[in-house]
This record gives sequence, structure tokens and C-alpha cells, in this order.
Amino acid sequence: AQKITQTQPGMFVQEKEAVTLDCTYDTSDPSYGLFWYKQPSSGEMIFLIYQGSYDQQNATEGRYSLNFQKARKSANLVISASQLGDSAMYFCAMREPILNFGNEKLTFGTGTRLTIIP
Amino acid sequence: DVKVTQSSRYLVKRTGEKVFLECVQDMDHENMFWYRQDPGLGLRLIYFSYDVKMKEKGDIPEGYSVSREKKERFSLILESASTNQTSMYLCASSLLQGAHPGELFFGEGSRLTVL
Repeated sequence: AQKITQTQPGMFVQEKEAVTLDCTYDTSDPSYGLFWYKQPSSGEMIFLIYQGSYDQQNATEGRYSLNFQKARKSANLVISASQLGDSAMYFCAMREPILNFGNEKLTFGTGTRLTIIP
Repeated sequence: DVKVTQSSRYLVKRTGEKVFLECVQDMDHENMFWYRQDPGLGLRLIYFSYDVKMKEKGDIPEGYSVSREKKERFSLILESASTNQTSMYLCASSLLQGAHPGELFFGEGSRLTVL
């Protein structure tokens, strides 16, 4: 069963508009973490924002905010005032344990390709 | 800044060749990972290492092996490359207990084409 679901393969948004990228997750573990990464065409993965399952407030980092709805198991990324440089692939990921070792890995969604239109 | 360096950005190999992808990190991270990225499939974990000489299979280990002889270096090996291993390979590292538990620091990726 897919643990991280990103239902928007691609999005086109006008420059300066706000963007919401959807992410839903599935876990029975009460302790987990959710991440968003950006991947420009150059290929490197850039960490954007993190939300812990016990965090009381939604995470924010500059123009990025995470709309965390625990009961719905959703962790949507909101980008305010989009810029041309925001055009990239965006991945949602969830931290989960690797069995038997107490260490953790990230499981990724399939990504959303965001294109900002001038 | 954390630096994760992958030895080759682009490689072209022939079917049956042995392929080495090297990854080095300079921040003394305990954990290192190899992911494979394919369009429509996202990133999938191939192998993981939590200590020197320790390795564990990820979700898609078939056709791959790894080596971690030193803490800073994690190598991915394709013993006999096949065309279905044409992909982008991403190396990452993480601290055992970081500010954002589980946060991965990635290299720039190695795009492998197997002909």
C-alpha cells in the first residue's frame, strides 16, 4: 500500500499566485515526521520544510508553509507569492523506521512537477 | 554546510558491465542511503547503511550491492548492469539524531544509462 500519495503529477500556476501541493500519508505509528523537498532541473534535492507529528503548530519557512491536518493525514505544502524559480519537482516524504534496527528512512511520494508561468 | 559528493554526474555503460557509484559525505553522519529515482515512481530506497561495514536492504535491492568500508564513503555496485537499471541514482546521508529527525542530505545525483 502506498504510504505517501501525491495526486497532482503536474501543475501550472501564474507567477505571484499562491500554490498548494497536496500530500496524504498513511501510518499507524504515532511518532512520525513529514518532509517536503524541491528538485530543480539541475537534479539536487533541496530540503524545504519539516513537520513532526507532535508539533502543535504548522511549520513555516519563509514563503513555504505546511498545512498539517493530522486527522485527515494530509500535509500539503503551500507556497505563497510564487516565483519563476519555484518551477521544479516537489516531493513529499515521511519518516518511518527500518525494521529491527531502530533507524529511520524516508519514504517518498511520486512527486508533483510545478511550472510557474510568467 | 553538509556536503555529499557523488563521483560521477553522468555515466554510460554497456549491458553486463560492472558499475561502481561512489558517494562521500563530510559531516560524520552515521547513516547513508542509496535511492533510485524514476519518472512517476518517485524515489525508492535501494540500500541503507547505519555504520561502517553494516548494510541493510531497502525496497528494491535486487541487482545491487553496496560497500561501506569507511564512515564517510558508501558505494553502490551493479555487478552486471542491465538496461532496466538506467536511472538517476541519489546518495544521501543523515544524522542519527538531527534537528529534523530523518532529514536526508543529498548528493547531486548520478544519471546512469545502460545500453
